[in-house]
Amino acid sequence: DSGVTQTPKHLITATGQRVTLRCSPRSGDLSVYWYQQSLDQGLQFLIQYYNGEERAKGNILERFSAQQFPDLHSELNLSSLELGDSALYFCASSPSTGEGVGGYTFGSGTRLTVV
Amino acid sequence: GDSVTQMEGPVTLSEEAFLTINCTYTATGYPSLFWYVQYPGEGLQLLLKATKADDKGSNKGFEATYRKETTSFHLEKGSVQVSDSAVYFCALKIGNQFYFGTGTSLTVIP
Repeated sequence: DSGVTQTPKHLITATGQRVTLRCSPRSGDLSVYWYQQSLDQGLQFLIQYYNGEERAKGNILERFSAQQFPDLHSELNLSSLELGDSALYFCASSPSTGEGVGGYTFGSGTRLTVV
Repeated sequence: GDSVTQMEGPVTLSEEAFLTINCTYTATGYPSLFWYVQYPGEGLQLLLKATKADDKGSNKGFEATYRKETTSFHLEKGSVQVSDSAVYFCALKIGNQFYFGTGTSLTVIP
């Protein structure tokens, strides 16, 4: 157990729907990162939050949004879902802003299937 | 831009064989380099890292040396085990940004 908790583990939904993925970072970590892992794109960085504030943005679609709450858990909202959004979504956390030589701790992911 | 290229898989080896997974990088600054491993059904786990040129990262019998002159960070293990079967990701980090390779799937057969 890495200490990063993601729920749900699996999600199946229809095109056009909206889903929310949840992540609880490792105890003491202030940053949360969201990644999308698909077969054709590999691991793509979506967005980072640090202590409740958006810190960095990657290849995140406008249909996707995220937030980090005062208790530091984070939610990734995916709307108007398309078949191509089917992927593994990983959350990772780190103690600080992520600068420096440290690695991140990853959760076990949420597998989203859009049908 | 900053990126990582790692060898295509899948790789299939017999137990006790020697493993090399090639990784090269392109970076504008001075990155730290990482290898992550993903076992079936799990998230990525940090395997090893190196933070500057000529550093060698090592863990669980795996090694990789940060080679600035060849911009490489190849992963090696002298004798693989069935339990090493997983997907291996090379990554570089600049600032707070990680750039991952596409992953190399390794299967070790008894």
